[in-house]
Amino acid sequence: AQTVTQSQPEMSVQEAETVTLSCTYDTSESDYYLFWYKQPPSRQMILVIRQEAYKQQNATENRFSVNFQKAAKSFSLKISDSQLGDAAMYFCACHQGGSEKLVFGKGMKLTVNP
Amino acid sequence: DGGITQSPKYLFRKEGQNVTLSCEQNLNHDAMYWYRQDPGQGLRLIYYSQIVNDFQKGDIAEGYSVSREKKESFPLTVTSAQKNPTAFYLCASSIYGQGPYEQYFGPGTRLTVT
Repeated sequence: AQTVTQSQPEMSVQEAETVTLSCTYDTSESDYYLFWYKQPPSRQMILVIRQEAYKQQNATENRFSVNFQKAAKSFSLKISDSQLGDAAMYFCACHQGGSEKLVFGKGMKLTVNP
Repeated sequence: DGGITQSPKYLFRKEGQNVTLSCEQNLNHDAMYWYRQDPGQGLRLIYYSQIVNDFQKGDIAEGYSVSREKKESFPLTVTSAQKNPTAFYLCASSIYGQGPYEQYFGPGTRLTVT
């Protein structure tokens, strides 16, 4: 069965510093997609970044970037120049090719200290 | 603007009553999903639908029912058989059958059953 693990339930970072959120996944498929979603206090789920497994280049979106290690099945999210608005729950998710389902990790609460 | 709407934002019901949560999307997406979110549990899939008049059980379908009579609408009924219905419910949609498979989420409904 496909699983996604976020081993750190909470983290904190100082404003303007960099933080890395970890995620590991387990899938037997070779074709899959990985996502990071953010859920601020409003509880609206927002897509932060996605990575296609067939792409070797790590995805980046402004201050957000990933470190995708396919062999290790690791998909960490790096947030640079952290801002107060980055405080949220962050969920890692995996979509397996051929399925229409996303499997989510249990989430990690990020606190940004001023 | 295209998006997903869920209503109401907060819903209160007495134990033993069925309740229906609304989800509407105007993104022209074929696939729609219902998730339940509990503290520390991440998102768990209740039901999903890839096409009108068809739907599949997710991981925690017991005590829930759905219908998909229109492409835009995917209502969820929480029945009296659901043993612990108090939770935050999220609806999502996505393109079906092709990547990148990211799901777009509604704002959620907080259901409280007493």
